[in-house]
Amino acid sequence: EDQVTQSPEALRLQEGESSSLNCSYTVSGLRGLFWYRQDPGKGPEFLFTLYSAGEEKEKERLKATLTKKESFLHITAPKPEDSATYLCAVQGRIGGGYQKVTFGTGTKLQVIP
Amino acid sequence: NAGVMQNPRHLVRRRGQEARLRCSPMKGHSHVYWYRQLPEEGLKFMVYLQKENIIDESGMPKERFSAEFPKEGPSILRIQQVVRGDSAAYFCASSPRSGGNEQFFGPGTRLTVL
Repeated sequence: EDQVTQSPEALRLQEGESSSLNCSYTVSGLRGLFWYRQDPGKGPEFLFTLYSAGEEKEKERLKATLTKKESFLHITAPKPEDSATYLCAVQGRIGGGYQKVTFGTGTKLQVIP
Repeated sequence: NAGVMQNPRHLVRRRGQEARLRCSPMKGHSHVYWYRQLPEEGLKFMVYLQKENIIDESGMPKERFSAEFPKEGPSILRIQQVVRGDSAAYFCASSPRSGGNEQFFGPGTRLTVL
């Protein structure tokens, strides 16, 4: 069964203090790895999809990278509005059929002004 | 706004009652997924539907839970004879096609069972 482990569970940063969130995964052939942001009381907001090792994607202060075993979400010079829970998810590939998406429990990020 | 819509946003039921949660996918999306989220836990997959078809219901409890996505109208997640353990946030997501495509989530329905 596919597994996703995110670390740390919680992270507190000063505004401007860069850091990285980790997502370790095991999957039967990777179809896609997804990053989402979730604010309290809201649904997850899509950020990135990564498909193969070595791939990188950027959006404002966020950069996602992927290896064969893990993905990192790098946050450069974070601002208080970046405070949220960041979710990682994977979708495996078995043949050409559908595979469900498996989510990690998330990293709760707090950025202090 | 053509985002995923869910209603109601909050639902309170007494034990033994039925809960009906509705989801309208994004315009142009024909694939719907339901997830359950408990406090401090990750999103747990429940069921994947296309119009008039259940593709994967492996994450849905065998009893009391059912889902449908009719040819016309929203997808519905139905929970019969609710118990306190059913209290959770239920999220619906949609995608334009299955396999490798990102899913876009609605705001969720928060179910409280008294």
